[in-house]
Formats: sequence, C-alpha cells, structure tokens
Amino acid sequence: AQTVTQSQPEMSVQEAETVTLSCTYDTSESDYYLFWYKQPPSRQMILVIRQEAYKQQNATENRFSVNFQKAAKSFSLKISDSQLGDAAMYFCAYRSGSNFGNEKLTFGTGTRLTIIP
Amino acid sequence: SQTIHQWPATLVQPVGSPLSLECTVEGTSNPNLYWYRQAAGRGLQLLFYSVGIGQISSEVPQNLSASRPQDRQFILSSKKLLLSDSGFYLCAWRSGQIVYNSPLHFGNGTRLTVT
Repeated sequence: AQTVTQSQPEMSVQEAETVTLSCTYDTSESDYYLFWYKQPPSRQMILVIRQEAYKQQNATENRFSVNFQKAAKSFSLKISDSQLGDAAMYFCAYRSGSNFGNEKLTFGTGTRLTIIP
Repeated sequence: SQTIHQWPATLVQPVGSPLSLECTVEGTSNPNLYWYRQAAGRGLQLLFYSVGIGQISSEVPQNLSASRPQDRQFILSSKKLLLSDSGFYLCAWRSGQIVYNSPLHFGNGTRLTVT
C-alpha cells in the first residue's frame, strides 16, 4: 500500500519570504498523481497544485511550485512571497495511476504553516 | 458549475445514538463520492467511496456505514455512535470519467462530537 509522509508537523515563515514543505511517498508504481491541498481555519480543503508522475516538468501555480523528484519519491511544495492568507494546514496526497485502485487518494498527516507578519 | 453541499456543519450526539450525515453534489453526473474523517491533529482517513448508485467500498471496518441512494447523494450513517467516532467528516467528489489527474473537491465538513 502506498504511504505519504510529511515529516514537518509545523513550519513558520516570515511574510514575503519563501518556504518549502516536504513530502515523501512510498510506492512501487511508475504511474501516479500527486497533489497538495490547503486547509485554512475554515476547514475547507482546497486544491493548491497537482503533478503527474509522467511529467518531468515541475508544476507551478502562481506563487506555488513543486520540486518533484521521482527517483527520490519526493514532492515538496514551495511557496514564494508568503502571504498571511497562506496560513493553513497543507496536505500532500497520492493517487495511483493504475486501472485499479485509482479511486483512492492517500493523504499525509499535514504540515501546519504559520505566517509571521 | 459544480457544487457540493454537506450538512450539518456541527453535530453533538450522545454515545449510542444514531448518526446520519448527508452530502449532495450539483452540476455533474455520475460523480465518484467519498467520505473522509479527520481526527484532531491527524491527516485524512478514507472511510468509504462510491463509483455509482448502490456501489459502496469500505476502507476501514468500523461501526459506520455509507449509502448512495441517488446518483448525487451520499450518506454516512451509524446505528450507535462511539466516543471514538468524534472527528471532522469531509465529503468529496471527483469526476466519474477516467481523468486521472482530476482532483477531489471537498465539502465544508461536519464536526461531530460524541459525548
């Protein structure tokens, strides 16, 4: 079974600075999809960014980018120019790309990000 | 556009009482539907998912059950709640078509406290 590990329970960053959240995963598959979700104090889960394992190019969405290292099974999230609204729990998630088992999204335990004004 | 509704937002129930949480999706057909639970300070645990009416897959055996009586309705139930059932329950949907990178879209969640 696939597992997702977020080794940083909490992180903090000064406003306008850059922060990187770590995520590693364990899988024997070659085809899969990775996601970062954000959960602000409202508790609603919001998709931040996604990455297809077959793509070598790292995904970017405005101030959010990932560093996808397939061989190392690492999928870190970089937030540039941090803003107060970025304060949230961030979850890394994995989905299989196989015909079976691709319905399930496996989440890490999350990293709580605090933005220091 | 697609929307997902989940209710109630908060619920306090005594141990041994029944539970019914409801989730509906609008603006899409044949969605895949999911129930996740988030315990305090922990990640999201998949409880149930459904790829069609009447089709329920259970991930974690426990005293909860799920049903999908209509295409866009997903219900989480229990006959007798336990203290350990307390947590934050999230309903989610994604496209039922084979689009592998399609993300999950979540409802606003239900905070359940069993006393």
